[in-house]
This record gives sequence, C-alpha cells and structure tokens, in this order.
Amino acid sequence: DIQMTQSPSTLAASVGDRVTITCRASQDLNNWLAWYQQKPGKAPKVLIYQASILGSGVPSRFTGSGSETEFTLTISSLQPDDFATYYCQQYGSYSTFGGGTKVEIK
Amino acid sequence: QVQLQESGPGLVKPSQTLSLTCSVSDDSIVIGSFAWSWIRQPAGKGLEWIGRIFTSGYTTYSPSLKNRVTISLDTSKRQFSLKLSSVTAADTAVYFCARTYIFDYRPAYFDSWGQGTLVAVSS
Repeated sequence: DIQMTQSPSTLAASVGDRVTITCRASQDLNNWLAWYQQKPGKAPKVLIYQASILGSGVPSRFTGSGSETEFTLTISSLQPDDFATYYCQQYGSYSTFGGGTKVEIK
Repeated sequence: QVQLQESGPGLVKPSQTLSLTCSVSDDSIVIGSFAWSWIRQPAGKGLEWIGRIFTSGYTTYSPSLKNRVTISLDTSKRQFSLKLSSVTAADTAVYFCARTYIFDYRPAYFDSWGQGTLVAVSS
C-alpha cells in the first residue's frame, strides 16, 4: 500500500498569508496526486489533480507542484473562504488520502 | 452538474451488514469515462477510500477492507451500492459516494460527491 504523510496537521494563518501544505508518498506517484478542500459538514471538493492541474472553477491562488514522492499545495494569498481542511489523495495504486491539514485563523 | 445522493439505514447492529445506495442524477453512470466509489470518514478524522466499481462491473477494493466489502452497480436505476459485512463500532462514519474521473486510462480523482450519510454501529 502507498502511504501518504501530510504536514503540518494544523496551520494557523491570517488573511493574505501565503500558505504551503506538503504531502509525501511512500512510493513514486508519477504525479498521480490530487488535492481537496473540505469544510465542516460538507463533502470534499477537488482543487488540483495530476499534481498541478487546476480543477474546474478553482481560483488561481491555488497551485499544486511537486513530483515523485513530494508534493505541495500553495495558497498564494489566503482568503476568508479558504479556512478549511485540506487533503491530498494518491491514485497511483488504489487510492489513499493524507491525514489532512486544518487551516485555522491566526 | 451531476448530483449524487446516499441512502440507507443510519444505525446498524454490530456483526450485521451495512448497506447503502447511491443514486446518480444523470447518465454519466453508463459512461466509461467514470468509475463509482465509496469513501468514509469517522467523526473528526480523515478520509478512507473503500472501493470502486467501473461501468463494466469490475470492482477494486481497499486491501484493508476487501474481505468485507461488496460494491455493485445497477445502471437501469442509475444506482450503485455498498455492502460492508461484520461491522463493528470502528465502522461508524460518514459514508460518501463519489464519481471517479478516469484520467489517462487510470481511475483518478473524485470530481463529484454525495453529501454523505452518517452510519452508526451500535446495539
């Protein structure tokens, strides 16, 4: 099984901050990675797929990068609507999610 | 915009079988560009993929759950279903159904989700 390690688990930031979340895989994913945003009581929403392709309707302040086993989600300027929990997901072998990163208000 | 809706009992007794159905609002359930997945989330915890079914009926399950999981598809009703046997309290979670986009011939990301349904396992 491919294990996904996401960091940090919690992040406190302010509106306008640049935010970076990292996901590490136990095997080379060949860019088979997606990022999701989840708000309380709601289903996740895809932000990025194939490591760096922006999902439909997703604001351009979200950027995905990385390769092989290390991937990053960056929010260039945090907006009030961005306070949420973020998950990475690998689909290189079956499917596995990272443990999540909760972005809180500082 | 496709819509997915989970349905089924909210309470299941230990050792029994959890059964859920996901209704899909359009004909994408018969399009080979998609597969159909179940994902769960215990309260306050992360997401766990359970398994998926392709329009061909071929299934793939999480290695940790494969001995207890069955996913089936009924395209005439635009539905797919989950059965999880021998449940325990550890199976208490919100269960989501989701459409899986097939990218470059590979089941990839989940592009549409149901709202989720809470299933509690308790006597």
